[in-house]
Amino acid sequence: DVKVTQSSRYLVKRTGEKVFLECVQDMDHENMFWYRQDPGLGLRLIYFSYDVKMKEKGDIPEGYSVSREKKERFSLILESASTNQTSMYLCASSLSGADTQYFGPGTRLTVL
Amino acid sequence: QKEVEQNSGPLSVPEGAIASLNCTYSDRGSQSFFWYRQYSGKSPELIMSIYSNGDKEDGRFTAQLNKASQYVSLLIRDSQPSDSATYLCAVKVWGGSNFGNEKLTFGTGTRLTIIP
Repeated sequence: DVKVTQSSRYLVKRTGEKVFLECVQDMDHENMFWYRQDPGLGLRLIYFSYDVKMKEKGDIPEGYSVSREKKERFSLILESASTNQTSMYLCASSLSGADTQYFGPGTRLTVL
Repeated sequence: QKEVEQNSGPLSVPEGAIASLNCTYSDRGSQSFFWYRQYSGKSPELIMSIYSNGDKEDGRFTAQLNKASQYVSLLIRDSQPSDSATYLCAVKVWGGSNFGNEKLTFGTGTRLTIIP
């Protein structure tokens, strides 16, 4: 069974802190994605990765970076968290060339 | 103009009736179209994909695609309370590069409520 896990369901951080969100998939998928979901704005792509150590900017990469050192793990980094980064963060993965993206349970991040 | 547009709803439908969800997209290069369902507090899950003009049926769900008019719709027959969720339309555009083709663009979702 397909499984994507995220390190935390809920996270509270202070402005200026460095924040790490971790995502792990066990399906040997090449592609991994980070989205944020906000009311009225829907799902927006932050970054995606198509291979180990490879990354591509999505639609809203500003203020974020990513790391993919192993195939199964994709990390989203907020170098200096700000209140406008309070959101639901969703990780997803897919096989290369395939259409179906499988989503993790999400991390609700609050930046105070 | 947003790339993928959906009526945010909420859309209320009596139990047993047909629920009709609509989505329009702006890029004529769009190749693949998807409907995801998201229950409150949960993550999205794929329920339908469609690639060619016409209808595609899967159980109580029918996806309809009209590339000339740039819209895709989802019909849910015999609506059940368990169908109450937000439905997200997603589109894959041919980006001209292998890696760009892996991306989806999502609409903001339509919240559907089935009334018992």
